[in-house]
Amino acid sequence: DGGITQSPKYLFRKEGQNVTLSCEQNLNHDAMYWYRQDPGQGLRLIYYSQIVNDFQKGDIAEGYSVSREKKESFPLTVTSAQKNPTAFYLCASTNRQVNQPQHFGDGTRLSIL
Amino acid sequence: GQQVMQIPQYQHVQEGEDFTTYCNSSTTLSNIQWYKQRPGGHPVFLIQLVKSGEVKKQKRLTFQFGEAKKNSSLHITATQTTDVGTYFCAGHSSGTYKYIFGTGTRLKVLA
Repeated sequence: DGGITQSPKYLFRKEGQNVTLSCEQNLNHDAMYWYRQDPGQGLRLIYYSQIVNDFQKGDIAEGYSVSREKKESFPLTVTSAQKNPTAFYLCASTNRQVNQPQHFGDGTRLSIL
Repeated sequence: GQQVMQIPQYQHVQEGEDFTTYCNSSTTLSNIQWYKQRPGGHPVFLIQLVKSGEVKKQKRLTFQFGEAKKNSSLHITATQTTDVGTYFCAGHSSGTYKYIFGTGTRLKVLA
């Protein structure tokens, strides 16, 4: 079964610590995305990647970093510079062809200890 | 920058009543997608509209794309408790793979 796997499901971050959220897809999709969702809010774009070894900042990239070394993987690092990291993080992917829907993972809930 | 707003933010309806959510973009879109997110879940793709003035139906759901391709609506006829969730629109501009999500409308259906 093809899909997107995010791990872990729940993550706790200590003060000053960097944490990395995993996102893997086996849909053979070229484009991948990271969104942040705060309680009762919409999805805000953190970073996106249209192709391997290339990525662009979204609307709220400060305090986050990504890499795209493999087509299947798009990990997100929440750095200590992100002062308010508590949120629900969603990874998505889509085919590079125009007008394709986004497929989402189950998300990671990040909280501060 | 580009913004996509949705109204209302919340809507409570009695089961059997109709429901409509509206989506407005500050810029012209190449297409618009609609997603549903159940409580505690992730967004699930419902439909995509591409043409100006397009109308699509999925059972009790009717989706419209405005003539100027800057607004869209989702209408649910005779809501059921299974319709509970947050409905998001996502606008896509040509020349980019970036989607801008609307603020969402949270629907509660009272049995």
